[in-house]
Amino acid sequence: RKEVEQDPGPFNVPEGATVAFNCTYSNSASQSFFWYRQDCRKEPKLLMSVYSSGNEDGRFTAQLNRASQYISLLIRDSKLSDSATYLCVVNDDRAGGNQFYFGTGTSLTVIP
Amino acid sequence: DAGVTQSPTHLIKTRGQQVTLRCSPISGHKSVSWYQQVLGQGPQFIFQYYEKEERGRGNFPDRFSARQFPNYSSELNVNALLLGDSALYLCASSLANGVGYTFGSGTRLTVV
Repeated sequence: RKEVEQDPGPFNVPEGATVAFNCTYSNSASQSFFWYRQDCRKEPKLLMSVYSSGNEDGRFTAQLNRASQYISLLIRDSKLSDSATYLCVVNDDRAGGNQFYFGTGTSLTVIP
Repeated sequence: DAGVTQSPTHLIKTRGQQVTLRCSPISGHKSVSWYQQVLGQGPQFIFQYYEKEERGRGNFPDRFSARQFPNYSSELNVNALLLGDSALYLCASSLANGVGYTFGSGTRLTVV
């Protein structure tokens, strides 16, 4: 079983739509959780951290359910500029040290 | 302030050759990690260094090695290159263990 699993999509949504991405992780001892955004042929960039209490940053809302080992990202009022791949990231120390385990990413295209 | 810088940006090598990739972290960051991203997949953890010591190693063969220098810059070496080593190699730095990473723009390695 993969450490982090995501629906790869693609998700094609019209501008203004609300879209949700989900992610599950396998290690219940995982400590930190993030969503990264990656544009085509670019490096991943931190979108937001994910906290158990849930957190919101403008149009973006992230949720963590530790009991179900489930992470979500909600994007409201989608913009063309939101088109990218969204990577679910879990941070733990299974291999020693501190490393990220990435999902395969979910592709989003926002259509005019 | 400069972000994470990687060199070279692109590289073409033939099978069996050796390659060295370089990374300079954000000033003040002591933790450097290396990731391999194959097309269509999320980044896979290779190594983490913190304070010049290896703190974590992912599931990669011994052909892969790395080190961190006193100025916290890092090199990733890959020996006996295989076609399957073709990927985007990402370096990420963070202030300390357990903190979110900032990625460099990567080195795109093609093995022919």
